[in-house]
Amino acid sequence: KAGVTQTPRYLIKTRGQQVTLSCSPISGHRSVSWYQQTPGQGLQFLFEYFSETQRNKGNFPGRFSGRQFSNSRSEMNVSTLELGDSALYLCASSSPDRGYGYTFGSGTRLTVV
Amino acid sequence: AQRVTQPEKLLSVFKGAPVELKCNYSYSGSPELFWYVQYSRQRLQLLLRHISRESIKGFTADLNKGETSFHLKKPFAQEEDSAMYYCALNWDAGGTSYGKLTFGQGTILTVHP
Repeated sequence: KAGVTQTPRYLIKTRGQQVTLSCSPISGHRSVSWYQQTPGQGLQFLFEYFSETQRNKGNFPGRFSGRQFSNSRSEMNVSTLELGDSALYLCASSSPDRGYGYTFGSGTRLTVV
Repeated sequence: AQRVTQPEKLLSVFKGAPVELKCNYSYSGSPELFWYVQYSRQRLQLLLRHISRESIKGFTADLNKGETSFHLKKPFAQEEDSAMYYCALNWDAGGTSYGKLTFGQGTILTVHP
């Protein structure tokens, strides 16, 4: 079956702009999580959605937001971009069964200039 | 708060040698633990789940609740094992898996010929 699909693969934005990233989970997976990966901070949890509801949120400013649609597809939005937002943004989807694990997409590489 | 520690940033071994990647966690509840691997220019992939007690690509990991560890082991390393390895912790809310992985900083494993 198809894996987790993230679009676009690469983005270059200017400081102050906003950006929307998209994630299509594996069919049947209702949990979608987002992570930020940087060389300095590693992998950090942004937020998680399940059945269109945000269940968990990481320690990121309010400029980072997300949503999930009824078909489980998810988007994350970053407003007023800062240089420090340059990172690889990863989406992961999972079944809610305990210990199932998470399947990651290839990520969206965001560069803020 | 949850925390995952991978004490070794870099680990080098020769082909055929045993390898152990250390992971210690801090969590007071019932943990779900995973090992993820990221090969060069590939997406993050799930390698092992503690709940399944399986062996993948010759790797095993045992959850030791007393020592709060989940070390990854392989008796005979291969060159193709060279990659970044991440230990990750998720928390279990009453039998339902919540998508909020806490990752360690990762260990770069290099297997020399």
